[in-house]
This record gives sequence, structure tokens and C-alpha cells, in this order.
Amino acid sequence: AQSVTQLDSQVPVFEEAPVELRCNYSSSVSVYLFWYVQYPNQGLQLLLKYLSGSTLVESINGFEAEFNKSQTSFHLRKPSVHISDTAEYFCAVSEDNYGQNFVFGPGTRLSVLP
Amino acid sequence: SQTIHQWPATLVQPVGSPLSLECTVEGTSNPNLYWYRQAAGRGLQLLFYSVGIGQISSEVPQNLSASRPQDRQFILSSKKLLLSDSGFYLCAWNPGRREQFFGPGTRLTVL
Repeated sequence: AQSVTQLDSQVPVFEEAPVELRCNYSSSVSVYLFWYVQYPNQGLQLLLKYLSGSTLVESINGFEAEFNKSQTSFHLRKPSVHISDTAEYFCAVSEDNYGQNFVFGPGTRLSVLP
Repeated sequence: SQTIHQWPATLVQPVGSPLSLECTVEGTSNPNLYWYRQAAGRGLQLLFYSVGIGQISSEVPQNLSASRPQDRQFILSSKKLLLSDSGFYLCAWNPGRREQFFGPGTRLTVL
């Protein structure tokens, strides 16, 4: 069975600084990878996903993640964060084509400081 | 476009009282539906999922139950709430593609 590790439970960073949120997974088969963002008292929103093809995927608000199969990682990056990026970020992995078997990481709380 | 609704948004219940949380999806048919719980400061725990009307799979034994009386309706219930049932309950749906989409959640506080 697959598992997901997010080593950093909290990441404080100053506004306009770069940030990297780490995600590592374990699986014996090919996987699909996702990053979700959760703002306080809201549901999870899909930020970006890797299904196949280019290993670098981007979101509309400046985040990007790179799938690294040899390191079993899918780290999330942004070159310059804004106050509005303060939220909880969840990495998730799925082994099947139908999205039924999702496993989420424990989450990383990103706090952007002025 | 598809949308997912959950209600109520917040709920405060005494220990031992019953529970009913509702989730509905609009704009699609025969979705896979999921209930997750998010305890304070913790990640998501899958509670139940359903691939069709009347078909429920339970991931974690507990005093909660789920039902799917209609194609786009998913209900989470309990006969007697425990303090440990407090948390943020999220419903999600899957349109047959690989990603899941989440509702706005219900904040449950058991006193």
C-alpha cells in the first residue's frame, strides 16, 4: 500500500521569499500525485496534479511541483509567496485510475509573515 | 459545472445525541462519494466511500455509519455521539477521473 510523508508540519516564511514544501511517497506501482490547499474552515482545493507526461506541473497561482521518480518525491515550490498563500497544504497519492484509493499526507501549515 | 454541498456548516451536539450530516453533488451522475474526518491538527482520515446507491465501504470501525439513498446524496450518521467524534467532516466526490473534489466541510463539536 502507498504512503505519503510530509516531513515539515509547519513552514514559516517571509512574504516574497521562496518556499518549498516537501512530499515523499512510497509505492510499488505507478502513482498519480496531487497537492491540495486548505484555507481555514474550508474544504480542500486541488492545487495541481501529476498524472503522466511532463514531470513539472504548474498551478495558475504560481506554484509548481516536480515529480521525481528516483527520489519518490513531489515537492511543491513557489518562487515568491504572498500573505494569501497562508494555508494548510496536503500531498496525496493514488495508485488507481479511478481516484478511489487516495492516501493523504499529514499536511504542512505554511505561514507567510509580513 | 459540478458542485458539491454539505450541511450544516457547523454543528454543536451533546454527547450521546444522534448525528446526521448530508452531502449532495450537482451536475454529474453516478459519482464515487467519500466521507473524511479531519481532527484538529491532523490529516485526513477516510471514513466511508460509495461507488453507487446502497453500496457503502467502511475504512475504519467506529460508531459512525453512512448511507447513500440517492445517486448524488451521501449521509453520515451516528446514533450516539462521542467526544472523540468532534472534528471537521469533509465530503468528496470523484467524477471517474483520478482526482477527488471536496465540499466545504462541516465543523462538528461534541460537548
